[in-house]
Amino acid sequence: EPEVTQTPSHQVTQMGQEVILRCVPISNHLYFYWYRQILGQKVEFLVSFYNNEISEKSEIFDDQFSVERPDGSNFTLKIRSTKLEDSAMYFCASSYGGGRTDTQYFGPGTRLTVL
Amino acid sequence: GQQVMQIPQYQHVQEGEDFTTYCNSSTTLSNIQWYKQRPGGHPVFLIQLVKSGEVKKQKRLTFQFGEAKKNSSLHITATQTTDVGTYFCAGNGNKLVFGAGTILRVKS
Repeated sequence: EPEVTQTPSHQVTQMGQEVILRCVPISNHLYFYWYRQILGQKVEFLVSFYNNEISEKSEIFDDQFSVERPDGSNFTLKIRSTKLEDSAMYFCASSYGGGRTDTQYFGPGTRLTVL
Repeated sequence: GQQVMQIPQYQHVQEGEDFTTYCNSSTTLSNIQWYKQRPGGHPVFLIQLVKSGEVKKQKRLTFQFGEAKKNSSLHITATQTTDVGTYFCAGNGNKLVFGAGTILRVKS
């Protein structure tokens, strides 16, 4: 069964450094998402992406964050200057359609630790 | 903005007992989705409810969507140790908003 993959599984970085988290969505999916889950807390929506554009973003997704689909398979989340509070699990998800009834499939996540 | 509340935060049951988690949205939802996250894992889609008053079953799991499409519940009959994890509801208004989740622990 096709699945979303994410790399790396764990990233440790120093405060102020840039990080890029990578995702390979399911191949025929058209809509891509990033979510964040701080340890012990709920999953929070960051951004949705379709047709090479951000379709929606949350208040968490400020100017420090950016997303890109650099080629036909990867979908990346960049944090320009990491802060301690960026430490969290970051989940990528994809769906075939962007409609409200479309199922989103989550990747295994990248655990980001900012020191 | 849209808020999704979920209770209880935590439930510890004896194996064989039933379990229920409740979800309530501040706004009417187009649909509600339920996910399970095992400890250390990622959210795994369980089911989606779309219609007002809808009830769906998956083996020992029963999912309900309220008539007003603002609340939902997940009921597990006769819990097993394999049911442990965090159950999240996610309300779909104009984007997916997750509840805080209910952590289920099952004591054998």
